[in-house]
Amino acid sequence: DAGITQSPRHKVTETGTPVTLRCHQTENHRYMYWYRQDPGHGLRLIHYSYGVKDTDKGEVSDGYSVSRSKTEDFLLTLESATSSQTSVYFCAISEPGAQRVNEQFFGPGTRLTVL
Amino acid sequence: DAKTTQPTSMDCAEGRAANLPCNHSTISGNEYVYWYRQIHSQGPQYIIHGLKNNETNEMASLIITEDRKSSTLILPHATLRDTAVYYCIVRAPRGGSNYKLTFGKGTLLTVNP
Repeated sequence: DAGITQSPRHKVTETGTPVTLRCHQTENHRYMYWYRQDPGHGLRLIHYSYGVKDTDKGEVSDGYSVSRSKTEDFLLTLESATSSQTSVYFCAISEPGAQRVNEQFFGPGTRLTVL
Repeated sequence: DAKTTQPTSMDCAEGRAANLPCNHSTISGNEYVYWYRQIHSQGPQYIIHGLKNNETNEMASLIITEDRKSSTLILPHATLRDTAVYYCIVRAPRGGSNYKLTFGKGTLLTVNP
């Protein structure tokens, strides 16, 4: 299995509180991604990073920010959590290159509940 | 990315080959076929990909028809741990900013003892 860990694995928080999820990789892959998975919506990309300090928005980025200060860590922050952000969050990594960018390796997920 | 069509669910007996079909009749010349699976409560797992030749790795084989309009993922000796949702994704190599993988509904494969 690819060396990807996510922390915390489970979190319950209250509306309006800030939350930070961490993705850590030991594969030295250049690209990192944050997805959320909800029933009826499948996996949706929130943000991604194509290098240290290089990030861009995905399709559902409102309410989320990210930071990547070193290759191995990609942080997802909910500045003020809302109930609509209750979801399972997956981090993924990949290498650049025509085919390899589509070979994404996923972490175990973080289950976030916002009350 | 080309649209894909997969059966909603399939059953397979343990130890037998599982053959999962995928239709992608609108695939264009530079698009690859990727397969992922997601076991319950886990993150998606990359399995295999191919362009036009058949491919095999330690997990599975991928058979792509000559006209590339459909493909089959083969798990040669299915085990109970192969029970999962299997996703077929057709996608061109990307060098730009669109790295999003689009997972459809996939096929729920249930391997029975």
